[in-house]
Amino acid sequence: IELTQSPVTLSLSPGERATLSCRASQSISSHLAWYQQKVGQAPRLLIYEASSRATGIPTRFSGSGSGTDFTLTISSLEPEDFALYYCQQRDNWLFGQGTKVEIK
Amino acid sequence: QVQLVESGGGVVQPGRSLRLSCAASGFPFSTYTMHWVRQAPGKRPEWVSFISPDGRNTYQADSFRGRLTISRDNSKKKVFLQMHNLRSEDTAVYYCVREDGGYYFQYWGQGTLVTVSS
Repeated sequence: IELTQSPVTLSLSPGERATLSCRASQSISSHLAWYQQKVGQAPRLLIYEASSRATGIPTRFSGSGSGTDFTLTISSLEPEDFALYYCQQRDNWLFGQGTKVEIK
Repeated sequence: QVQLVESGGGVVQPGRSLRLSCAASGFPFSTYTMHWVRQAPGKRPEWVSFISPDGRNTYQADSFRGRLTISRDNSKKKVFLQMHNLRSEDTAVYYCVREDGGYYFQYWGQGTLVTVSS
């Protein structure tokens, strides 16, 4: 099962809404996680089972979707949210290729 | 708090072997499946291998088939990754991670860099 993330790069300003997409090549039910990664750091779990926020994750991060189409939404970008974002599914723990959220 | 601390990385020549270690603390280690995930420079994270809580079940990615051995010592709260016949494409940061919910990774170590170069 392959994961395709879009867009590759998202250029936005602080305070704007970010919508990131992850599409699976076949149905994965709700078995999808989202991670944030900053330069020089390990990935940080944001969302698991498509829509459950991990411990300590701010409420501006939300996940939705099931089957093959999933979305990570950041309701209002904070300066610390500009980073790389990966989705990951259960089949062989495969990661998507990532979306970079950069400052416009 | 949960801590995972990797060690053992470094520069190694192609064809040589290397053993990575991960020391865990802050949780009941012997009840968790543990994984190694690696990330080459500028690339997505790539799953490497997992080991079941009792160490009896292991699995590894196809790209490593036959070239690595994962093991654990529950008495010492450590997990190990022995890699053989290293190639330049194995150059990456190797992370020790704890599995939660069957597939996702809540806790990551800081990573240890493995550079395969002559």
